[in-house]
Amino acid sequence: GENVEQHPSTLSVQEGDSAVIKCTYSDSASNYFPWYKQELGKGPQLIIDIRSNVGEKKDQRIAVTLNKTAKHFSLHITETQPEDSAVYFCAAPKGEYGNKLVFGTGTILRVKS
Amino acid sequence: NAGVTQTPKFHILKIGQSMTLQCTQDMNHNYMYWYRQDPGMGLKLIYYSVGAGITDKGEVPNGYNVSRSTTEDFPLRLELAAPSQTSVYFCASSSLTPLQGYNQPQHFGDGTRLSIL
Repeated sequence: GENVEQHPSTLSVQEGDSAVIKCTYSDSASNYFPWYKQELGKGPQLIIDIRSNVGEKKDQRIAVTLNKTAKHFSLHITETQPEDSAVYFCAAPKGEYGNKLVFGTGTILRVKS
Repeated sequence: NAGVTQTPKFHILKIGQSMTLQCTQDMNHNYMYWYRQDPGMGLKLIYYSVGAGITDKGEVPNGYNVSRSTTEDFPLRLELAAPSQTSVYFCASSSLTPLQGYNQPQHFGDGTRLSIL
């Protein structure tokens, strides 16, 4: 079954700097990789996702890259702002139809102003 | 648009008591999920449902039960609560069909924080 590892567990950056969070997965058949942001006291919210037919996807200051050969995908946040401080989770599909997700253990991002 | 609504937001339960966590969604999603979140452990799938009347176990189903009598509602039942079930519980929903593709985002509620003492 699918196994997802996420690094680092905590990340502190200065406001305006970039942040990178990396995840590796085990099932080479996986083809959908979402990233979720969880603010204090809230549920996870999807911020970006990528499917296996593309190598990179951008949405303003957020980008995700996918390396299917190495089985890893990364979240890139540029020009970080204090409101980016949160816990970020990666995930990969599991099950016959990919209808379940396996989540990484999360990265606590702190943006210092 | 309310999305996924969970009640209660907080609850304290005594060991051995039972309770039901409520989850409802107004997006007409066919898939619904229950997760628990423990510190540093990410989200673990407890149960999921592919539609009304159909449920299946996830990674950590022991000590829990679910039912899905309508598309909108997916309650999680704790029987004989134990301290190990102290956690934050999240409900999520998704619209998955062969036509749309099974890889679609999940939409989460804001969770129920449950303490068992």
